[in-house]
Amino acid sequence: AQKITQTQPGMFVQEKEAVTLDCTYDTSDQSYGLFWYKQPSSGEMIFLIYQGSYDEQNATEGRYSLNFQKARKSANLVISASQLGDSAMYFCAMRGLNTGGFKTIFGAGTRLFVKA
Amino acid sequence: ETGVTQSPTHLIKTRGQQVTLRCSSQSGHNTVSWYQQALGQGPQFIFQYYREEENGRGNFPPRFSGLQFPNYSSELNVNALELDDSALYLCASSPRRTEPDEQYFGPGTRLTVT
Repeated sequence: AQKITQTQPGMFVQEKEAVTLDCTYDTSDQSYGLFWYKQPSSGEMIFLIYQGSYDEQNATEGRYSLNFQKARKSANLVISASQLGDSAMYFCAMRGLNTGGFKTIFGAGTRLFVKA
Repeated sequence: ETGVTQSPTHLIKTRGQQVTLRCSSQSGHNTVSWYQQALGQGPQFIFQYYREEENGRGNFPPRFSGLQFPNYSSELNVNALELDDSALYLCASSPRRTEPDEQYFGPGTRLTVT
């Protein structure tokens, strides 16, 4: 069975500092995709970053980077130079590509608070 | 290029009633997925439609059903509503069935069952 675990219900970070949001996963698929979404209070899920299981380099998108450690089954999100607008819920998610790639599993989320 | 839209924004229904939620996919996207997000939890996959056919389903009972139309817009129907169906319902469209990094979400429909 596939599972995503986010162990930090809430995190605080000072504006302009970096923060790491933890994510571990479990899957029997050999090929899978991992990604992070941001959900502001408005409710819309905003795609941030994607990492394929066979990608050798960690993914980066602007201030977002994904620290992928396949042996440890972890896919932590690093946000550099935090901004007040980064305050939101963050979800780690996974899709097993072997199964046709139709089912995305989400973690319970981490609420990030950025302090001025 | 228009994004994913959903209607209505909010909805209040009574237990036992039926509800239809609508989603308009992003232009050029032929795959749509529906998710249920209960308060304080992550989204749970309900089902996916690809070219008007159900392509996969999560652990939801048959009273959750869907449709996808030739223009790739989609409906989620829930019969015999229960209090636990109260949630944010999100739809997401993608241009290809198995491209995990190109899934775009709509703003959601907040359903309250009383």
